[in-house]
Amino acid sequence: GAGVSQSPSNKVTEKGKDVELRCDPISGHTALYWYRQSLGQGLEFLIYFQGNSAPDKSGLPSDRFSAERTGGSVSTLTIQRTQQEDSAVYLCASSQQKSSYEQYFGPGTRLTVT
Amino acid sequence: DAKTTQPPSMDCAEGRAANLPCNHSTISGNEYVYWYRQIHSQGPQYIIHGLKNNETNEMASLIITEDRKSSTLILPHATLRDTAVYYCIFHAISNFGNEKLTFGTGTRLTIIP
Repeated sequence: GAGVSQSPSNKVTEKGKDVELRCDPISGHTALYWYRQSLGQGLEFLIYFQGNSAPDKSGLPSDRFSAERTGGSVSTLTIQRTQQEDSAVYLCASSQQKSSYEQYFGPGTRLTVT
Repeated sequence: DAKTTQPPSMDCAEGRAANLPCNHSTISGNEYVYWYRQIHSQGPQYIIHGLKNNETNEMASLIITEDRKSSTLILPHATLRDTAVYYCIFHAISNFGNEKLTFGTGTRLTIIP
């Protein structure tokens, strides 16, 4: 079946512009996570959704970052007034239910802020 | 999630067993050991997990020491497609459903033809 998909695959934007990144999780997966991976670094947790609610936003690095999830499915991560340090690969993962040990990751969106 | 220690890189000949070590001396009794891998330009992929006992699946085997302070991921017959960064993570299953994972920098495994 279809895996987690993310769009766009690559995004180049100018400093100060807003960007939206999209994640389509596997159908029926209730848990959704956003991570980011800077060059040469491990993955950094950003936010967790269970259904449409986000009980854990502790990883969002600043108030320029926000995310929403509608209909318990698609999620968008929005970065306002982008900065060069926001350049990274943004990864989305979903899992089937609460307390699931396996997360399925999408291919990521590579964001470059010039 | 507490800290793991992995060698930054390893090489393995194609067809041989690849043994990837991980130290997790501060692991708690309820924390599982997970392994994920990330092939270049792809998202991470779950491999295997375990608590106390050794585990095996179609991808790999996981050997956990009796004191649980270290583990080894074994790829029994490495192929070129196994070239990737391998992450060892430990994490307690949450009763609240938030299974956010803390990834370190992992081991870059290169399979040599």
